[in-house]
Amino acid sequence: DAKTTQPNSMESNEEEPVHLPCNHSTISGTDYIHWYRQLPSQGPEYVIHGLTSNVNNRMASLAIAEDRKSSTLILHRATLRDAAVYYCILRDRNTGNQFYFGTGTSLTVIP
Amino acid sequence: DAGVTQSPTHLIKTRGQQVTLRCSPKSGHDTVSWYQQALGQGPQFIFQYYEEEERQRGNFPDRFSGHQFPNYSSELNVNALLLGDSALYLCASSPGQRSPLHFGNGTRLTVT
Repeated sequence: DAKTTQPNSMESNEEEPVHLPCNHSTISGTDYIHWYRQLPSQGPEYVIHGLTSNVNNRMASLAIAEDRKSSTLILHRATLRDAAVYYCILRDRNTGNQFYFGTGTSLTVIP
Repeated sequence: DAGVTQSPTHLIKTRGQQVTLRCSPKSGHDTVSWYQQALGQGPQFIFQYYEEEERQRGNFPDRFSGHQFPNYSSELNVNALLLGDSALYLCASSPGQRSPLHFGNGTRLTVT
């Protein structure tokens, strides 16, 4: 399964944008890029996913590099409720193979 | 509309015992996956059930088994518990095998 690399932790000030990076240099052409986040004492929560083009939804934006070897999750205005562990995961669109989580990025939001 | 519900929320067992964890998927979801999350780690995939059959399996011994019922609910069974089985067990459901997952808040299992 293709692997992803994320920083262990990041900090952001409240109400400022946050850019969470992810490297996936071994990504295949059929891998979707998924992002989930896990708030304390909760199960992971779906954030966004994409294949090639940048994606936006009510929670975040996903910027995908042209060569698809990296991506960035963008939270436009961080709030205290965004403090969580963020996971970047690859998933094959043909096989629907299951998510293999790494240790993710722990985001701290400073008031 | 209820999301994914898991029971019990907490459980304490003794080494060597057996345990059954339960999961009710989100309404309209027919696929259930189970994950194990050790403290400080990301979730690790155990297996996935679809149409009452195990469709995919992660790197877990056959002490871990499961079942999916006609109403799509699922059980995870772990036999001969080890201390290392202490973890948060997460259930996730989805409408089909390739859609984003919706997770429950897990069952915290402690093996003493």
